[in-house]
This record gives sequence, C-alpha cells and structure tokens, in this order.
Amino acid sequence: AQSVTQLDSQVPVFEEAPVELRCNYSSSVSVYLFWYVQYPNQGLQLLLKYLSGSTLVKGINGFEAEFNKSQTSFHLRKPSVHISDTAEYFCAVSEGAQKLVFGQGTRLTINP
Amino acid sequence: DTGVSQDPRHKITKRGQNVTFRCDPISEHNRLYWYRQTLGQGPEFLTYFQNEAQLEKSRLLSDRFSAERPKGSFSTLEIQRTEQGDSAMYLCACGGNYEQYFGPGTRLTVT
Repeated sequence: AQSVTQLDSQVPVFEEAPVELRCNYSSSVSVYLFWYVQYPNQGLQLLLKYLSGSTLVKGINGFEAEFNKSQTSFHLRKPSVHISDTAEYFCAVSEGAQKLVFGQGTRLTINP
Repeated sequence: DTGVSQDPRHKITKRGQNVTFRCDPISEHNRLYWYRQTLGQGPEFLTYFQNEAQLEKSRLLSDRFSAERPKGSFSTLEIQRTEQGDSAMYLCACGGNYEQYFGPGTRLTVT
C-alpha cells in the first residue's frame, strides 16, 4: 500500500526567504508524484507533477521539486517566498490513473 | 479555476437528515473521483468512476454513502442519515492522464 509522510506540519518563514517542504513516500511499484496547494476554503490546485524523465520538475508560482528514488523523497522548494504563498501544501502519490494518496499537509506561513 | 464545479458550496444539516452533493466535471475527462477532507488532514479517497462505471470504493464509504454518475457526465454523492462525524469538506476531482483537477468542494456541517 502506498503512503505519504510530510515531515513538517507547519513551516514559518520570512518573506523573500527560501523554503523547503519535505515529503517522503512509500510504494512497492513505480509511482507518480504531485504537489497541490490549498488556499483557505478552496479546493486543491496542482502545483507540479513528476511522471518520468528529469528528476527536477518545475511548477507554477516559482515552485520546483526534486524526485529522489533512492531516498523515496519528493521535496518542494522555492528560492524566495511571498506573502501570497501562505497556504496548505499537500504531497500526493498515485500508481497511474488511480486514486491519489495524500500526506497530512504542511501549513506554510509567511511572515513579513 | 479548474473548470470543475460543485454544488452546493456549503451545507448545514441536522443529524439524521439526507444530503446530496453534485459535481460537474470537465467534459473531456472520463475519470471522476470523490474525496473527503476533515480539518487539518489531507483528502482521503472515497470512490472513483470511469465514465458511468463505479470502479473502486473505499472502506470509508459506508452503506450510508452512495455515489452515481449517470451517463458518465455529472456525479452525485448522497449521504443518508447523516452523523456528526460526516462533517467534512467533500471534494470532487476529474482526471487527465495522470493528474487530477479538483473542484472547490462542498463543506458539510452536521449539527
């Protein structure tokens, strides 16, 4: 069975500082990996995805993530955050066109 | 805006009442998923349709829950005899080749 662990439930950072949100997964087969962002009282918006190929994937809003198969990780990074990045971030895994299995989420808070 | 719409956005109901939610997906996507999200948690899978066929149901989907997708278009999720533990955000998503696009959700409060 697949599972996803987001190692930090909350991450506070100052505006314009870099940030990394950590995600580890477990699966017995090849997987596809995703990061979604959720703003208050809204649905989830896809930030980026890893399906195959280059292990460094770039997404919207300046975010990128790196797939590390040996460490079963898919950490999300942004070199300089803005107040508008304040939101809940979810890492998810799937085995193809199947259900998504989500982590618990990481609340990113940007302080001025 | 992902193009996936859900109705209603908010629903307050009394324990024991039945509720029904609707999801209208992006027309060219034949896969449709329902998830439930409780406060402070990630979404949890409930059920999945490919066209009109319901292909998978989670153990979370008790016999009080039923979902349909007539003609492979919109979908409905019904909860009968609601309980306070059903209070959550119910999210609908439709699938491209691999990624899923989510609607805004329906927030259910059972009093």
